[in-house]
Amino acid sequence: KAGVTQTPRYLIKTRGQQVTLSCSPISGHRSVSWYQQTPGQGLQFLFEYFSETQRNKGNFPGRFSGRQFSNSRSEMNVSTLELGDSALYLCASSRGGPRTDTQYFGPGTRLTVL
Amino acid sequence: AQKVTQAQTEISVVEKEDVTLDCVYETRDTTYYLFWYKQPPSGELVFLIRRNSFDEQNEISGRYSWNFQKSTSSFNFTITASQVVDSAVYFCALSGGGSSYDKVIFGPGTSLSVIP
Repeated sequence: KAGVTQTPRYLIKTRGQQVTLSCSPISGHRSVSWYQQTPGQGLQFLFEYFSETQRNKGNFPGRFSGRQFSNSRSEMNVSTLELGDSALYLCASSRGGPRTDTQYFGPGTRLTVL
Repeated sequence: AQKVTQAQTEISVVEKEDVTLDCVYETRDTTYYLFWYKQPPSGELVFLIRRNSFDEQNEISGRYSWNFQKSTSSFNFTITASQVVDSAVYFCALSGGGSSYDKVIFGPGTSLSVIP
């Protein structure tokens, strides 16, 4: 059974640019959550999608957005990148949601903003 | 507001010692879920356990055990007879109810080093 895949694995951007990260969940999983991990702030919840609907959102500015497609694949977008957006972005999938079902994490996308 | 505190930033133990990782949480919800995740040096987070607020029964799974106490808002994790492969960062996490449903809040993590 294939795990959660994230593309790209590494990304270097400059301030002001925008970036799109992709996450393919485990087959049959309808919930996808995104997290940002930094040394200073730790693991922070960005948003969670279930069947193409955003069910919850963390405390991030509107520059951070996401969406989920009918095949459960998800993308997150960060516009007008800032140096502080440099982080490991993790995606996790579960069948019905992280509360009640095991959440499986992908390897992450390492974003560096110069 | 929901919050997870892991007071221990780093712990070092010698192989075969027992080690307990502390977790204290805050929530006003009556229904909530608690989790432990492990992040080994390879970086990929791994789910270890989930407990709901109505299930205070403590659990043992191999060398791992968990102690959930609602009275002290604690959800501690113990590794018995630690091994080098247990070296990782361990995160305690919380998911509440209401508008926080399916929003998982992580603690800052405890870095465990098991020395051979």
